[in-house]
Amino acid sequence: QLQESGPGLVKPSETLSLTCTVSGGISSYYWGWIRQPPGKGLGWIGSFTYSGSTYYNPSLKSRVTISVDTSKNQFSLKLTSVTAADTAVYYCVRWVNYAFDIWGQGTMVTVSS
Amino acid sequence: EIVLTQSPGTLSVSPGERATLSCRASQSVSGSFLAWYQQKAGQAPRLLIYGASTRATGIPDRFSGSGSGTDFTLTISRLEPEDFAVYYCQHYGSSPLFTFGPGTKVDIK
Repeated sequence: QLQESGPGLVKPSETLSLTCTVSGGISSYYWGWIRQPPGKGLGWIGSFTYSGSTYYNPSLKSRVTISVDTSKNQFSLKLTSVTAADTAVYYCVRWVNYAFDIWGQGTMVTVSS
Repeated sequence: EIVLTQSPGTLSVSPGERATLSCRASQSVSGSFLAWYQQKAGQAPRLLIYGASTRATGIPDRFSGSGSGTDFTLTISRLEPEDFAVYYCQHYGSSPLFTFGPGTKVDIK
C-alpha cells in the first residue's frame, strides 16, 4: 500500500512537499508521482528506479525533485514556485511493466493565498 | 512526443451491453507499452490492462484489450453497474516518459 502525506494548502510561489510511505519494501521496484487537477485528466510528474535513475516530465523538470529514503520506505516530491495551476490531487504510484499497478489514495493540494 | 487521443469522449451504454473504447497514438507505438486504467468518482485510478492486452491482477475477464501500431481498444463485454467510470489509456515512451489520454467517460444510458 501507498500513503501520501503533506500539507493540503500551499501559498503561491512557495514549495509543495509531499511524502509517500510504502508498506513493504521500496527497493526492487520503480516509483513515481502523478497528479490530477480538479475535473481534469492524469498527468505524470516524475519517476525513479531503485538503481537511482530519475525521470521528470519536461514540462515540470525545472521545478521538480523526487528523492527517496530507503531506510524509512518513503519517497518524496518537491515542487517549487507553485501557482494555482498546480492545484491537484497528487498520487504516488508504483511502476511495473511500463504501467502503474499500485496507487495511493491521493492527496488534494490547493495553491492559494 | 506521442499524443494519445481517446474516443468517444463520453459513451452512453446500458448495463449488460458491450462497450468499445478507442485510444489512438499520434505515431506507431509498441503494444508492450500501452495500458488502460479505470477511475471511479473520488477514487484513485485502477490498472486494468498492461502490454495492450494483459489483464492486471484481479481484473474480471469481461475487460479485454487489443490493438497495435496506432490503434488500441478496450472492450467491456457486458457492462456491470460498477463499470460506469472514466477510462484512461497510457503510454510509456521517451519524452515525456509517460503520457495519458484525455479519458472516456462511460455512463448509463
